[in-house]
Amino acid sequence: DTAVSQTPKYLVTQMGNDKSIKCEQNLGHDTMYWYKQDSKKFLKIMFSYNNKELIINETVPNRFSPKSPDKAHLNLHINSLELGDSAVYFCASSRGARTGQETQYFGPGTRLLVL
Amino acid sequence: DQQVKQNSPSLSVQEGRISILNCDYTNSMFDYFLWYKKYPAEGPTFLISISSIKDKNEDGRFTVFLNKSAKHLSLHIVPSQPGDSAVYFCAARGSQGNLIFGKGTKLSVKP
Repeated sequence: DTAVSQTPKYLVTQMGNDKSIKCEQNLGHDTMYWYKQDSKKFLKIMFSYNNKELIINETVPNRFSPKSPDKAHLNLHINSLELGDSAVYFCASSRGARTGQETQYFGPGTRLLVL
Repeated sequence: DQQVKQNSPSLSVQEGRISILNCDYTNSMFDYFLWYKKYPAEGPTFLISISSIKDKNEDGRFTVFLNKSAKHLSLHIVPSQPGDSAVYFCAARGSQGNLIFGKGTKLSVKP
């Protein structure tokens, strides 16, 4: 009954590969997010979707493409992986965006290591 | 340029005493602040929040104080327990609903 789940938890891959990280929330939330925690431990927003519509797209390389098949899922596809993509990626969800003071609930993170 | 700053990377406190974690922000338009707690290999967990219309919010052992004029907030944990040992992130809600995080403070509560 995990609220926000991510798969895989660990991902080790070679440079140049394409990989996907999946996120699912069973909270009935309308908004989902992807955050990246880099080696300096900063947690930064990458993307946000509200009801399958993209609402935030930070300055992220276009090798990163989020896909939201429905409002309970927000997957992250990464093309041509680079060493600098190594990080922990967190998915989160909230009831809404810009609707007020919405708490975001985070998944356990996906630890990506690019060799 | 960091909009949310946690200048203390670590804090060590004795069990039973008060833990005070500090956070500063630069954007006066921020109107909602949150504290998250994170254990290793887990995602951040929501702890407590405060709106800019308040200066204090309390939930059990946790109290958050907001000083808007100083653009400063703090999280007080009293009494501190060993299970409180974790990394604490301060966050401000951005204009699009995203959270802008500080770098975190690692709290160690010693028995």
